[in-house]
Amino acid sequence: DIVVTQSPDSLAVSLGERATINCKSSQNVLYSSNNKNYLAWYQQKPRQPPKLLISWASTRESGVPDRFSGSGSGTDFALTISSLQAEDVAVYYCKQYYSPPHTFGQGTRLEI
Amino acid sequence: EVQLVESGGDLVQPGGSLRLSCTVSRFTFSIFWMSWVRQTPGRGLEWVGNINPDGSEKYYVDSVKGRFTISRDNARNSLYLQMNSLRAEDTAVYYCATDSGYLDHWGQGTLVTVSS
Repeated sequence: DIVVTQSPDSLAVSLGERATINCKSSQNVLYSSNNKNYLAWYQQKPRQPPKLLISWASTRESGVPDRFSGSGSGTDFALTISSLQAEDVAVYYCKQYYSPPHTFGQGTRLEI
Repeated sequence: EVQLVESGGDLVQPGGSLRLSCTVSRFTFSIFWMSWVRQTPGRGLEWVGNINPDGSEKYYVDSVKGRFTISRDNARNSLYLQMNSLRAEDTAVYYCATDSGYLDHWGQGTLVTVSS
């Protein structure tokens, strides 16, 4: 099974500052035939289900603010929030869907 | 807007069984993979398993293999999770989600508690 590890476990950032969350997979999740990374990012606020932010490592979902961006390839990825807003306080998860069982990182709690 | 509604969560004794349902609306259910994901109280997310559009292909996390079965009824736009031999560690909120690899639409979840 592919193990996905996030860092840090928690992060405190000031309003307007940049936040970066890292995600590392134990195996490559880049599929060579289509050059796509099978890695997604989710945001979960209290008492809500997770919300998809980014698919294919860097494709922002419709309606997601452009301050959110995903980067990386192969085994190392990052989610960056360029200018933190109060509504971004949440737990963030990455998940690989390269091969079953699909696996989530342990989550990163983002606070102000 | 796509809507997913889970139901069937309950308090059940260890060793017992439970069947969860997920009804999907405003979505072409029959042509998409579907997943179940669970979240233990205060902890992270665990992908439980998924099923392909016609129900012929299924995958599970090791911890539920042989105990849980995912199925679907495309005529009813419904997804199911049959859970047998339940253990305390199966206690969680169970979510269904549309599965394009990434999970793009989620339900609100249903709580399963396994306790004597």
